[in-house]
Order: sequence, then C-alpha cells, then structure tokens
Amino acid sequence: QQPVQSPQAVILREGEDAVINCSSSKALYSVHWYRQKHGEAPVFLMILLKGGEQKGHDKISASFNEKKQQSSLYLTASQLSYSGTYFCGTESNAGGTSYGKLTFGQGTILTVHP
Amino acid sequence: DSGVTQTPKHLITATGQRVTLRCSPRSGDLSVYWYQQSLDQGLQFLIQYYNGEERAKGNILERFSAQQFPDLHSELNLSSLELGDSALYFCASSVDPSSYNEQFFGPGTRLTVL
Repeated sequence: QQPVQSPQAVILREGEDAVINCSSSKALYSVHWYRQKHGEAPVFLMILLKGGEQKGHDKISASFNEKKQQSSLYLTASQLSYSGTYFCGTESNAGGTSYGKLTFGQGTILTVHP
Repeated sequence: DSGVTQTPKHLITATGQRVTLRCSPRSGDLSVYWYQQSLDQGLQFLIQYYNGEERAKGNILERFSAQQFPDLHSELNLSSLELGDSALYFCASSVDPSSYNEQFFGPGTRLTVL
C-alpha cells in the first residue's frame, strides 16, 4: 500500500522552513527521500533505516519514527533550488530480507519564491 | 548526471505494438530497478534485477517483461501496448539491493501510445 505524504503542496519564500511528512500503514524497514524537478529524474536526498542509521546530504535532515511508521523531511532556510516534488519511498521488512524495493508516496510539491 | 543512461528518450507508437526500453547502469552498480511514472499512478516500482537475476517484482503487467544481461545493461519489453501504458519509464541503479544504498535514476524514456 502506498505511503501517504502531507502536505500535498507547500509554497515558501526563500529562507523559510518546511516539513514534509510520510506515513505508512505497514511496519517499515527503511524510508528513502527523493526530489524530482519537472521533466527530470528523481534525485536521492536521504535514507533512514530502522534502528537509526541514516545517510544523506548535510543540508537536509529527516527523522524516522519506527513505532508510528512515519518519517519527516526537514527543509530549513529554503533556497530557490529546493523547488520540486518530494517523494518518500518506503520499504517494508519482509522476513528480514531487504531488496531496496520501494513503494513511493504521491509526492509533495514544494515551491520556493524569491 | 547520475551516470545511468536510458534510450530512447522519447518513443511514440500505436496500440498493439511492442517496444523495448534500454538502460545502462552506473559503472560498478549491479542492481537495476524499473519504475513507471504516470500522472494518476505516481511512481510505481515494476521490477528489480541484481547481477543478472530477478530479485523483486512489483506491479508489473504480464504484457511487460525485463531482463538484465551479462554486461549488466537491462531491457524492459512492453508488448500489446494500450493507451494506458503511456508514461515515463525510469531505470535506476544501485551498488547492490541493500536498503542502505541510494538508487540513481536515469533520465527516463517517455512512451506515448496513440
């Protein structure tokens, strides 16, 4: 089942902060975050694993609440280049085997104005 | 540039036809993923290969098939095409199928079925 992202869209001015949430009804093993600009391929931002490990860019942070099956992406001091659609991809832990098989949310459209 | 290449960039064909989409992963990546992105369905995982072997399957139709060759490039074959198959098809690659590895997306192939 597809994770649910909120909000669906957000409009910011440069320098403002935003939080994008991703919620799943399934127990999660990992959450991946990607950003996609119009007409381009998704670009990797963050990976968060059950147990606390994470990997990603220095200027972007995220959290993963395993009990609630939720993840949040924090965008601080936004820049024009942050505009795009943000997707979370979730992986459920099927018997302890991971394949990197991701189920993506519907996306959150972020627009940053000068 | 992610290092993943996909050809062709655009493909226009008629219903009932068959097409082949090609993907070359980043140098050193052994795992390849195929995704379909449409306006109403979002980014959907289709299938994953690792070092030539099928590893995971998503919502891939029986009319679609894929393979990964010894040189690690992959092909996605779509047959008996329908209007609803019109979409952007992405290939992604990672070092291996571990959840801790980011997926690098290619530029995509835009398929239009008339």
